[in-house]
Amino acid sequence: GQNIDQPTEMTATEGAIVQINCTYQTSGFNGLFWYQQHAGEAPTFLSYNVLDGLEEKGRFSSFLSRSKGYSYLLLKELQMKDSASYLCASLDSNYQLIWGAGTKLIIKP
Amino acid sequence: GAVVSQHPSRVICKSGTSVKIECRSLDFQATTMFWYRQFPKKSLMLMATSNEGSKATYEQGVEKDKFLINHASLTLSTLTVTSAHPEDSSFYICSAGGLAGHNEQYFGPGTRLTVT
Repeated sequence: GQNIDQPTEMTATEGAIVQINCTYQTSGFNGLFWYQQHAGEAPTFLSYNVLDGLEEKGRFSSFLSRSKGYSYLLLKELQMKDSASYLCASLDSNYQLIWGAGTKLIIKP
Repeated sequence: GAVVSQHPSRVICKSGTSVKIECRSLDFQATTMFWYRQFPKKSLMLMATSNEGSKATYEQGVEKDKFLINHASLTLSTLTVTSAHPEDSSFYICSAGGLAGHNEQYFGPGTRLTVT
C-alpha cells in the first residue's frame, strides 16, 4: 500500500532550528513535496525534490534520499509565523499526490 | 505566476440545497484539476481528479452523483455539492496542475462550507 509517515506534532523555540522528517512508500516515485498550511488556509508550496540531496531555499531546506524513502524539511532561524502544519506529499507513478497527515509545528518564544 | 482562485471562500447553506464552488487558474491553462476536502486537523483527502473535456475520476468512497465535477475549460472547474447535509460541512480545496515542466500542484485558497 501507499503510506506517508510524519510526526503529528513538534515544538521548537523561536530562533532555533527544527527538522521535520517524512518517510514514504508509494507506487512509483516522481518527487517529494513539502507544503506549509496555516490554520484555515490552503496549503502553499515550499519545496520539491526528485533527486537525492539537499535543496536550500532561504531559511528552509529540504532533503531527499530515494533509496531510503526518506525526506526532511529543515527550518532555520524559526519565527513565530512559522507556526503551521507542514505536509509531506509523494508524487506516485500516476502523478498523483499521496499526502501525509501533516506535522503541526508549534513555535514558542 | 500560477495563481488559482476559488469562489466562494465561505458559504453557509441549508440542508437539502446545492452549492457550487468554482476553481479558476488565472494565469495558466490547467490540464488537470484536483478537488480535495479537509476535516479539522486532518490531512487533505483527494475527492476527484478532472481533466478538461472529460469526466472526472472519483476516488473510492466519493459519491459522484453527490459531488458533481465539471471541467469545461482549461481554466475553470466546478464542484457542486448536491442535496447538502451537515456532514458535508468541510473545507474544500481545489488545485491545478499542468504548468509545463512542473509537477507541482497550485492550490486555491479553499472554500469553507457549512451546512445547517
